[in-house]
Amino acid sequence: KNEVEQSPQNLTAQEGEFITINCSYSVGISALHWLQQHPGGGIVSLFMLSSGKKKHGRLIATINIQEKHSSLHITASHPRDSAVYICAVRSNKAAGNKLTFGGGTRVLVKP
Amino acid sequence: DTGVSQNPRHKITKRGQNVTFRCDPISEHNRLYWYRQTLGQGPEFLTYFQNEAQLEKSRLLSDRFSAERPKGSFSTLEIQRTEQGDSAMYLCASSRTGEAESPLHFGNGTRLTVT
Repeated sequence: KNEVEQSPQNLTAQEGEFITINCSYSVGISALHWLQQHPGGGIVSLFMLSSGKKKHGRLIATINIQEKHSSLHITASHPRDSAVYICAVRSNKAAGNKLTFGGGTRVLVKP
Repeated sequence: DTGVSQNPRHKITKRGQNVTFRCDPISEHNRLYWYRQTLGQGPEFLTYFQNEAQLEKSRLLSDRFSAERPKGSFSTLEIQRTEQGDSAMYLCASSRTGEAESPLHFGNGTRLTVT
């Protein structure tokens, strides 16, 4: 079993819909990251959180440390949100800032 | 600050050849990471440096792989005697140490195709 599991693997939404991506992990962590990867490879950090909830524009990330679960929500989705969204965790036993990544959720938002 | 820069963007090579990739991190970042990503998968950790010291290497990094960061600035990743299974996107990321966890900044990657 992977240390970081994401669901769904693929998601198709109509423009304007509310999107939720889930991430479950099995290790103790010091931080969880949500990242966005567009075709061509570039990865952008969206959120880094260790508790509670963060909001940036139409994106909201939440984490429940006790349940080892995080969600990324996209409100009023737009075609430009189409990308792969990746959850990554830093184990509280890991040296440095090394991250363990989930497999990603491929999101397609249709106009 | 131009972000993390990786060169080349694409590399096509024949099996058995050696290849070298370069990563220039954000200038004030003392940590540098190499990850490998295959199609449809999340990135997998390969190795990381703090300044010029290579502090951790994944078991994924076979003896054909070597990484250096000689002056604590740019880093190179060399793959000797490439195999078709080495075909992947090689991602570099950097961060800085400090009291607060610093997010990783990724380059655009080098896509390696071994024919």
